[in-house]
Amino acid sequence: DTAVSQTPKYLVTQMGNDKSIKCEQNLGHDTMYWYKQDSKKFLKIMFSYNNKELIINETVPNRFSPKSPDKAHLNLHINSLELGDSAVYFCASSQDRGIAGYTFGSGTRLTVV
Amino acid sequence: AQSVTQLGSHVSVSEGALVLLRCNYSSSVPPYLFWYVQYPNQGLQLLLKYTSAATLVKGINGFEAEFKKSETSFHLTKPSAHMSDAAEYFCAVSERGGGFKTIFGAGTRLFVKA
Repeated sequence: DTAVSQTPKYLVTQMGNDKSIKCEQNLGHDTMYWYKQDSKKFLKIMFSYNNKELIINETVPNRFSPKSPDKAHLNLHINSLELGDSAVYFCASSQDRGIAGYTFGSGTRLTVV
Repeated sequence: AQSVTQLGSHVSVSEGALVLLRCNYSSSVPPYLFWYVQYPNQGLQLLLKYTSAATLVKGINGFEAEFKKSETSFHLTKPSAHMSDAAEYFCAVSERGGGFKTIFGAGTRLFVKA
């Protein structure tokens, strides 16, 4: 069983469209995250939820909206996609405020054309 | 606020040679420190972590790192490189009591020559 699974793995879409990425973890962790990795491999945190409560909300355009229906799931919805949104988006989870480290999903490569 | 700097965006070693990837951190309180590895088209995998126990930390795949408070460093080493070690390596820092946010370095790409 995959510990942190993201779908889809690849997403190609046109500018202006709305899309969602889904993430699920079966580790029983209480915290989940979305990170964005750009073309230079730089990782930037976007959001974090702890037991369904939003606890980190970095400077991200309002077009990005996370939703956590329960502590095992964290989805990312993006409205009005722009070329600059093209990146790899990683979901991760952790326990105990992350002191044991994160478990990452395999990523969703988003390409906006 | 915490930050982490990885010295060298690319490091190239010969197979069997010592691997040394450098990481310096900045933190206002004693930090938690991590090294992750990312293979092509995959997510990040935790290699090892420092959480205030022993300053020399051993991880998976023969890697280890030493926490040096006086130098604010957490360099990653492996005595003998293997072709399969070729990947991107990320150093990361999380502040105690900072609650849930881990900051990643820019990454170092390791090349291993036959």
